[in-house]
Amino acid sequence: DTEVTQTPKHLVMGMTNKKSLKCEQHMGHRAMYWYKQKAKKPPELMFVYSYEKLSINESVPSRFSPECPNSSLLNLHLHALQPEDSALYLCASSPSQGTDTQYFGPGTRLTVL
Amino acid sequence: QKEVEQDPGPLSVPEGAIVSLNCTYSNSAFQYFMWYRQYSRKGPELLMYTYSSGNKEDGRFTAQVDKSSKYISLFIRDSQPSDSATYLCAMSADSNYQLIWGAGTKLIIKP
Repeated sequence: DTEVTQTPKHLVMGMTNKKSLKCEQHMGHRAMYWYKQKAKKPPELMFVYSYEKLSINESVPSRFSPECPNSSLLNLHLHALQPEDSALYLCASSPSQGTDTQYFGPGTRLTVL
Repeated sequence: QKEVEQDPGPLSVPEGAIVSLNCTYSNSAFQYFMWYRQYSRKGPELLMYTYSSGNKEDGRFTAQVDKSSKYISLFIRDSQPSDSATYLCAMSADSNYQLIWGAGTKLIIKP
């Protein structure tokens, strides 16, 4: 089973709201990723977790806060977002960081009003 | 110059045609090459994965890597309307977590 699940599928939030995106995988993968994808663009890497520890932060603004509660779960906490943060947020996992077959979830379509 | 170049299209072909999608790259350290398919408003789906040079076939799909020319291709035989999607190439160097992506080619298969 090569499935990564993400909730919610769609999210609309105001600039003062706090919300969270959730990602789950049960493939035993030890690396998990958050990407942001704007329309007609490839995914942009935001964060990498390896063995539940933050490994890479690609200079993402602090209004995005990742969390990895355990090896199967990855959250992205959102606070005080801007309209330009509206995008498809993708979660991915791979057996380990440095192993390059990443499996993506369906994404959360985020709209910031 | 971008590390990975991919024509964004759109590429429109009739049903049943052979489709050729391509990417060129500049970093000779790349060893791992992937093709992802992404339907509108969905996440990318891993289609083909190739290490180093050579060909790999899976059903109607064939991936080719030519490291000497820094050129990779994806061929789709007997194309179907359901193949209409954006195809993204991605690649990385050995022991490097980061995927470097092409811009994606939008493919349209006309019935």
